[in-house]
Amino acid sequence: GNSVTQMEGPVTLSEEAFLTINCTYTATGYPSLFWYVQYPGEGLQLLLKATKADDKGSNKGFEATYRKETTSFHLEKGSVQVSDSAVYFCALSDRENRDDKIIFGKGTRLHILP
Amino acid sequence: DGGITQSPKYLFRKEGQNVTLSCEQNLNHDAMYWYRQDPGQGLRLIYYSQIVNDFQKGDIAEGYSVSREKKESFPLTVTSAQKNPTAFYLCASSSTVSLPLHFGNGTRLTVT
Repeated sequence: GNSVTQMEGPVTLSEEAFLTINCTYTATGYPSLFWYVQYPGEGLQLLLKATKADDKGSNKGFEATYRKETTSFHLEKGSVQVSDSAVYFCALSDRENRDDKIIFGKGTRLHILP
Repeated sequence: DGGITQSPKYLFRKEGQNVTLSCEQNLNHDAMYWYRQDPGQGLRLIYYSQIVNDFQKGDIAEGYSVSREKKESFPLTVTSAQKNPTAFYLCASSSTVSLPLHFGNGTRLTVT
């Protein structure tokens, strides 16, 4: 079955540091891939997405590239800010399987120190 | 502005009581979902509905029930049969299954 594995947290960085949060997936078809962000006490918000191999999703300085050869969708940001402190979820949906559900990773908590 | 409204934000109940969590959307989305979030476990799907008057069990449906009588509403009832009901509950919607989800701000349920 489909699955998503992301690096365990928490991840603690200083402001302006480079961020990478790893995400790998297993899918039987050709999934769409997503990163969601959850700020304290709130629901999840879509951060970025990619729908086919080699697509790069980007938003608010964050980027992730759909790598079919390595089944990965790592989240990166060149210079993090304190306001980026949140929980980040990698997710996939398999369009070829109409009954499939969106699969989430377990989330990675990010702490940015001023 | 369009969005998903969950109410209340915090809910307290005594063990043995059923409780219903509200979820309303004005995005005209066909599909709606309920997730449960526990620390360190990510999101787990409880129920989902692709169309009015139809819904399917997710991965952890035991002890929960839902209804979908209107397109914009998808209430979740946590019954006394749910062994560990204390959690953060998130409602979401999408225009069709598998497109990006839009989430509400969640309801934190505490059962003592």
